[in-house]
Amino acid sequence: ILNVEQSPQSLHVQEGDSTNFTCSFPSSNFYALHWYRWETAKSPEALFVMTLNGDEKKKGRISATLNTKEGYSYLYIKGSQPEDSATYLCAFRKAGGSYIPTFGRGTSLIVHP
Amino acid sequence: ETGVTQSPTHLIKTRGQQVTLRCSSQSGHNTVSWYQQALGQGPQFIFQYYREEENGRGNFPPRFSGLQFPNYSSELNVNALELDDSALYLCASSLDTRELFFGEGSRLTVL
Repeated sequence: ILNVEQSPQSLHVQEGDSTNFTCSFPSSNFYALHWYRWETAKSPEALFVMTLNGDEKKKGRISATLNTKEGYSYLYIKGSQPEDSATYLCAFRKAGGSYIPTFGRGTSLIVHP
Repeated sequence: ETGVTQSPTHLIKTRGQQVTLRCSSQSGHNTVSWYQQALGQGPQFIFQYYREEENGRGNFPPRFSGLQFPNYSSELNVNALELDDSALYLCASSLDTRELFFGEGSRLTVL
């Protein structure tokens, strides 16, 4: 069983704050790390796919970094807005086999106006 | 481009009954994965179908079964429902092992 941990479990911030959360995954047999954003009553939406150690990805105010050697990824949100409120899921893909993603429990972010 | 659609969106069943959930893949995708998300948990992998063949299975009992059709749509069947089967069931389609595209889920309540 692959262990994918996300922290914190939930986070409340004020509009304009910057925030970050962590995804930890096994450091061996790495294939890819995915970040998804999941708003209530909608489907999870892909944010980033990260495949190389040291990868940095950015989409607007959201960015992510990857360290495959130590098995973690950070997701950063700069200047949080209420519309950023969502659950952020990471998913780890192990090399070999069916490459099926294993998800963490997610970080629930609430941005207060 | 048509996204992933799931039906029904909500349903209520009683213990011991059977349920079928349906998923239409995104156009051009040949792989469907099913996940169960119970309250407070991350999505748990149930199984994956690639070109109508089961391509991987998570830690779920045999009463969870599935099908993928020639048009790559899929069904998840659960027999002998238990209270713990109450969850959101997510379907995701992809092209081979690439990025997953999710539906909005089917919310199952077992009483």
